[in-house]
Amino acid sequence: GAGVSQSPSNKVTEKGKDVELRCDPISGHTALYWYRQSLGQGLEFLIYFQGNSAPDKSGLPSDRFSAERTGGSVSTLTIQRTQQEDSAVYLCASSTGTGKGNTIYFGEGSWLTVV
Amino acid sequence: RKEVEQDPGPFNVPEGATVAFNCTYSNSASQSFFWYRQDCRKEPKLLMSVYSSGNEDGRFTAQLNRASQYISLLIRDSKLSDSATYLCVVNGYYGQNFVFGPGTRLSVLP
Repeated sequence: GAGVSQSPSNKVTEKGKDVELRCDPISGHTALYWYRQSLGQGLEFLIYFQGNSAPDKSGLPSDRFSAERTGGSVSTLTIQRTQQEDSAVYLCASSTGTGKGNTIYFGEGSWLTVV
Repeated sequence: RKEVEQDPGPFNVPEGATVAFNCTYSNSASQSFFWYRQDCRKEPKLLMSVYSSGNEDGRFTAQLNRASQYISLLIRDSKLSDSATYLCVVNGYYGQNFVFGPGTRLSVLP
């Protein structure tokens, strides 16, 4: 499809397990973002990739969270030793670049439930 | 102070009403401004970009005041389908992230 694609759509995992969430950005978009949104709350920035630059990891809440982007396209967000407070929807977004004139587009999200 | 702040809401208005949302941002170097709409349990979607001269799209009007670092969204003749959370979004220079406000929830009542 033409939009941002995320998988899985839904994931239920046991506390302490690791999970991987995948994002396939819009073709040609060099910037990729991960956000987290807990139920009823606002968007929480996690990490962003721009081209070949070092990613901005300033939003990652703990060292259990990591992300990589291979080949400048697909990105994987990994959460190790999941905790119940990690339950949220994880939203991936992409844009053609950053700065003036660029617009950010979101995927439908990966809903994570830690039980 | 948060980078982007919005009216806390919620706003409950009758159909046909006019409603205005306000947003302020702290980074004077910000270059791009947007309003996004987020329906319950859905991803945010672009509603409209906000230009310095102000812009209108049907029932929606957005205004930007750079001197006051203030953005507004006006919705005229509200419809039930306008019920959603409205997010103010700001972006800066190259290499800067998109910063989202906390959102203002609107409920249009029959």
